[in-house]
Amino acid sequence: SAVISQKPSRDICQRGTSLTIQCQVDSQVTMMFWYRQQPGQSLTLIATANQGSEATYESGFVIDKFPISRPNLTFSTLTVSNMSPEDSSIYLCSVGLSSETQYFGPGTRLLVL
Amino acid sequence: SQQGEEDPQALSIQEGENATMNCSYKTSINNLQWYRQNSGRGLVHLILIRSNEREKHSGRLRVTLDTSKKSSSLLITASRAADTASYFCATDYSNSGYALNFGKGTSLLVTP
Repeated sequence: SAVISQKPSRDICQRGTSLTIQCQVDSQVTMMFWYRQQPGQSLTLIATANQGSEATYESGFVIDKFPISRPNLTFSTLTVSNMSPEDSSIYLCSVGLSSETQYFGPGTRLLVL
Repeated sequence: SQQGEEDPQALSIQEGENATMNCSYKTSINNLQWYRQNSGRGLVHLILIRSNEREKHSGRLRVTLDTSKKSSSLLITASRAADTASYFCATDYSNSGYALNFGKGTSLLVTP
């Protein structure tokens, strides 16, 4: 199993600013992902965080808006840039230990005013 | 894109009753998983069923999979107030390794 922590757990931000969310895993993992969950909605994959190379973004998400770092196998960050109220969501990181098991962090609840 | 569709979107039952949630998906899969989310927090993995399996049990949970109909169901027996949560099905994501494609979820309320 894997224990995942995220910082911050929640934040309230002003539009136009940026927020960096951290994801820390208690063991080395190859696959790490970032998801967004808009209010009352399901989870949508933002990108796969690749260690040592650029993240792989899903359709509708771009690096300029959601830059991701993955400096090692236990840590990743997601930045939400130039925020607008539409970015208010829960952002979750997850790790895949196998093709059959994923563990999720507790999420970061973001409110943009 | 979202692949799974759950129904019902919301379900309200009393403790002791059974809760059944359904999920449909569009493309072929290797496996299908069910997750629980309490009050907008992190997701907890409940159970996984592989594409060559038809039924699986785990405690009070029973999952079925019908690949010909591209559908799955999650049954929670003898529900408890602590089962109140949102339940999501998820299928493996074709282009992203182990990433998951989530359905819209069912919000379950179990009243004492």
